[in-house]
Amino acid sequence: DIVMTQSPDSLAVSLGERATINCKSSQSVLYSSNNKNYLAWYQQKPGQPPKLLIYWASTRESGVPDRFSGSGSGTDFTLTISSLQAEDVAVYYCHHYYITPPAFGGGTKVEIK
Amino acid sequence: QVQLVQSGAEVKKPGASVKVSCKASGYTFSSSGISWVRQAPGQGLEWMGWISIYNDNTNYAQNLQGRVTMTTDTSTSTAYMELRSLRSDDTAVYYCAKGGDIYEAWGQGTLVTVSS
Repeated sequence: DIVMTQSPDSLAVSLGERATINCKSSQSVLYSSNNKNYLAWYQQKPGQPPKLLIYWASTRESGVPDRFSGSGSGTDFTLTISSLQAEDVAVYYCHHYYITPPAFGGGTKVEIK
Repeated sequence: QVQLVQSGAEVKKPGASVKVSCKASGYTFSSSGISWVRQAPGQGLEWMGWISIYNDNTNYAQNLQGRVTMTTDTSTSTAYMELRSLRSDDTAVYYCAKGGDIYEAWGQGTLVTVSS
């Protein structure tokens, strides 16, 4: 099974500043035949279900603000919020769907400093 | 728009079973699988399994094999997840999600509490 490890567990960022979340997989989630990374990011606000933000490591879901971006390849990935807004307070999860079983990272809680 | 509406909260005793429903609308039900994910109180997300609406193929998490069954009813565009022999550590919010890999939409969640 592939294990997903996120860092940090939590971070506090000032409004308008950049937030960076890291995700590392225990083996590559890059499928060489199509050059796609089978990696997604989800946002979960308190009391709500998760919401898809990014898939294929860097493709933004329709309607997601462009301050959210995903990058990385192979085993190391990053979710960046370029200018933190109050509504971005949430827990963020990375998720691989490369093989069965898929798996989520442990989550990163983002708060306002 | 795509909507997944789940059944209401349940309280069960250890050893009992629970069956959670997930009614889909806003898209062609048979075009996409349904995945189930659970979240224990204050914890992260755990993948439980997936069912193909097209051919009813299933894939379950190894730690739930033998206790979980996922089914669908295409006549009502509803997916079901049954969990048997409930234990206290099955207490969680159970989510259904559209998709077998990328989860484009999620149900609102169903809290299942297992307590004697």
